[in-house]
Amino acid sequence: GAGVSQSPSNKVTEKGKDVELRCDPISGHTALYWYRQSLGQGLEFLIYFQGNSAPDKSGLPSDRFSAERTGGSVSTLTIQRTQQEDSAVYLCASSLVFLGSRMAYEQYFGPGTRLTVT
Amino acid sequence: RKEVEQDPGPFNVPEGATVAFNCTYSNSASQSFFWYRQDCRKEPKLLMSVYSSGNEDGRFTAQLNRASQYISLLIRDSKLSDSATYLCVVRGIKAAGNKLTFGGGTRVLVKP
Repeated sequence: GAGVSQSPSNKVTEKGKDVELRCDPISGHTALYWYRQSLGQGLEFLIYFQGNSAPDKSGLPSDRFSAERTGGSVSTLTIQRTQQEDSAVYLCASSLVFLGSRMAYEQYFGPGTRLTVT
Repeated sequence: RKEVEQDPGPFNVPEGATVAFNCTYSNSASQSFFWYRQDCRKEPKLLMSVYSSGNEDGRFTAQLNRASQYISLLIRDSKLSDSATYLCVVRGIKAAGNKLTFGGGTRVLVKP
């Protein structure tokens, strides 16, 4: 079946512009995560959506970052007034969760959006 | 202390050798554990879940030690294609939303 998809795959933007990154999770997956990864670095957790619960925003680095998840499916990560340090690969992942099974918590990643702020 | 810690490596491994590395976690109530593999400039992909009794998948063996709060991954008969970064993932408690936390990764380089 279809995996997690993200768009765009690459985005080059000028410093100070706003960008929107999109994630389409696997159909039926209730949990959705956003991470970012700078070159050669580990995954940095940004935000986590779980069903209808309030999202865990504890990883958002500043108030320029926000995310929403509409209808429990598609998610958009918005970065306002982009800075050069925002350049990274932004990864989205989803997991099933509510099956009462270990297997349900495994995350599946999209290919990422490579953001370059010039 | 980080919630999930890994030796960043790199572990330089001769082809055909065995390599093993650990991942420690801080929350004793953690529920589930996984190993992911990430190739250079690619997204992480699930390698295997880690079960309480330990489990094996081909050349890969995962173990969980709850008393000492670590999981391990062992790779036998290493192949050049095993070169990657291996990420440890821990699922928290239900009260924390079952959130998954990633370690920083252990880099493995298999050489001829």
